[in-house]
Amino acid sequence: ETGVTQSPTHLIKTRGQQVTLRCSSQSGHNTVSWYQQALGQGPQFIFQYYREEENGRGNFPPRFSGLQFPNYSSELNVNALELDDSALYLCASSLGQGETQYFGPGTRLLVL
Amino acid sequence: ELKVEQNPLFLSMQEGKNYTIYCNYSTTSDRLYWYRQDPGKSLESLFVLLSNGAVKQEGRLMASLDTKARLSTLHITAAVHDLSATYFCAVALASGTYKYIFGTGTRLKVLA
Repeated sequence: ETGVTQSPTHLIKTRGQQVTLRCSSQSGHNTVSWYQQALGQGPQFIFQYYREEENGRGNFPPRFSGLQFPNYSSELNVNALELDDSALYLCASSLGQGETQYFGPGTRLLVL
Repeated sequence: ELKVEQNPLFLSMQEGKNYTIYCNYSTTSDRLYWYRQDPGKSLESLFVLLSNGAVKQEGRLMASLDTKARLSTLHITAAVHDLSATYFCAVALASGTYKYIFGTGTRLKVLA
């Protein structure tokens, strides 16, 4: 059974650019959540997708958007990057809403 | 606004000793999660606690939940060096949509 995978592992962008991060869910999981984790902090919930629909969102501006595909893989898009967007971005998949979440290895984004 | 607070933030303990990490949250929730994160790594799910009085144990770790007091504890028995990591609790808010709030984390160092 394949676990949660994310790509890329590392990324460097400049302020104002746009970025797309990708996540492949664990087999059979229909729910995916995205988190931002700044250095030394706890993860901050960005949003959750359940069966291709966004069904929960944290305190992040609209320039953070996402998609979930029919195979339950997912993308996180961030427009107009800011320096404070530099962080580890984690996705997590689960069998359903509220169920145990299995985290991917993360994408480390640096905005210069 | 929901707040999740952990204490202590840092914990240095000797091998073989027992200790408890506390997680307090400020509003009603019926799901409480504990995660472990090693330096530079992603999160690993430890426990999901679903009801008042729930207790789960895995090896030297035992988690409990008191929903009336809005308190969860993670008890470490006879600590070993391999338990050194950062431990996060997280709470789910479910009101049609889902939102997850993580605590500040407790950085545990077990000294040989």
